[in-house]
Amino acid sequence: GAGVSQSPSNKVTEKGKDVELRCDPISGHTALYWYRQSLGQGLEFLIYFQGNSAPDKSGLPSDRFSAERTGGSVSTLTIQRTQQEDSAVYLCASSLGRLSTEAFFGQGTRLTVV
Amino acid sequence: DQQVKQNSPSLSVQEGRISILNCDYTNSMFDYFLWYKKYPAEGPTFLISISSIKDKNEDGRFTVFLNKSAKHLSLHIVPSQPGDSAVYFCAASAWGNEKLTFGTGTRLTIIP
Repeated sequence: GAGVSQSPSNKVTEKGKDVELRCDPISGHTALYWYRQSLGQGLEFLIYFQGNSAPDKSGLPSDRFSAERTGGSVSTLTIQRTQQEDSAVYLCASSLGRLSTEAFFGQGTRLTVV
Repeated sequence: DQQVKQNSPSLSVQEGRISILNCDYTNSMFDYFLWYKKYPAEGPTFLISISSIKDKNEDGRFTVFLNKSAKHLSLHIVPSQPGDSAVYFCAASAWGNEKLTFGTGTRLTIIP
């Protein structure tokens, strides 16, 4: 596709349920990032994938959060046993990695935990 | 540990005047800096970047200045237009680690 695609665009879930958020990066981009933005906050780094290297998971806030990137393309961010504080906009971005740090963002998934 | 800081959460500027948004960083390993613009309900969009080998980069109405000794960068928008009203984030990365570290953002409002 022409840009980074995220689905769903909105997700409302009950506390304690698991959710999966999907990201389709720009074709050919080797780097993929997940960030989240809570209400009134900045962009909080979660995880970074670069090619076949081990992902940088240093931003994941707890072991309830995990992410995969299959075949170097699509990524899924999974949040288990969701809590109300997980409510935020989850943003995915991709870039050419070491060739260019300019990252292109998707429109985000707004997650609301009730 | 906030490595990239935007100390002004908001800024209002008259249309046609210059907007100056500031950003400070603490990590001396950062060597590439970017500005992103974000409208509500949209993802951030890339605006302009600068490498640490330069102290200025210009693109139309947008100019980014980098002062490495002060670990400070700024974004100048001139003349400011109503469509510039948005939240602006600065971001930084280090050679060999392309992870982008973002500031908390500055909400710019252009007053017609």
